[in-house]
Amino acid sequence: DGGITQSPKYLFRKEGQNVTLSCEQNLNHDAMYWYRQDPGQGLRLIYYSQIVNDFQKGDIAEGYSVSREKKESFPLTVTSAQKNPTAFYLCASTKTSGPTSSYNEQFFGPGTRLTVL
Amino acid sequence: KQEVTQIPAALSVPEGENLVLNCSFTDSAIYNLQWFRQDPGKGLTSLLLIQSSQREQTSGRLNASLDKSSGRSTLYIAASQPGDSATYLCAVTRGSGGGADGLTFGKGTHLIIQP
Repeated sequence: DGGITQSPKYLFRKEGQNVTLSCEQNLNHDAMYWYRQDPGQGLRLIYYSQIVNDFQKGDIAEGYSVSREKKESFPLTVTSAQKNPTAFYLCASTKTSGPTSSYNEQFFGPGTRLTVL
Repeated sequence: KQEVTQIPAALSVPEGENLVLNCSFTDSAIYNLQWFRQDPGKGLTSLLLIQSSQREQTSGRLNASLDKSSGRSTLYIAASQPGDSATYLCAVTRGSGGGADGLTFGKGTHLIIQP
């Protein structure tokens, strides 16, 4: 089955720790995205990558870092510089080229819930 | 800066009713608009995508319309069922990069369908 997987489902972080959230897709999508969701707020874009080895900051990139070494993978690191990391993190992807492109329709993974202890 | 507003924030209706969810956005220079469904603690499921050149899209009991010039979209749900209970999110493409720069989301409408 094609889809987007995120791991772990739940993650607990101690103060001062860096943690990495995994996102993998086997949809052959070109672009990948990380969003953060807080209660009562809409999703906010953290980082995105349109091609391998390139990525751009979204609206709330401070305290986060990413890499895109493979087309299928887009891990997100939440650093100790992120002062309020407790949130639900969602990864998404979309196809941006080729005859099957659906005008950049985004598909989402199941999410990772991060809690700071 | 693009802002997306969804009205109402919450809605509770009896099973079988037809209903309309509203979405408005401040910058009409969008590439496309997507409606999503989110169940508690889960990821988002794409329901409908409307390209900027289109006026509406339909999928089963769902119909979404887009009036780009006025910055409005509606999601119409026909013959609602308890399984439709979820949060519905509206999102528009960021920037002018052909839609690959990510999405700007509204805060959602929390829908409850009473059996």
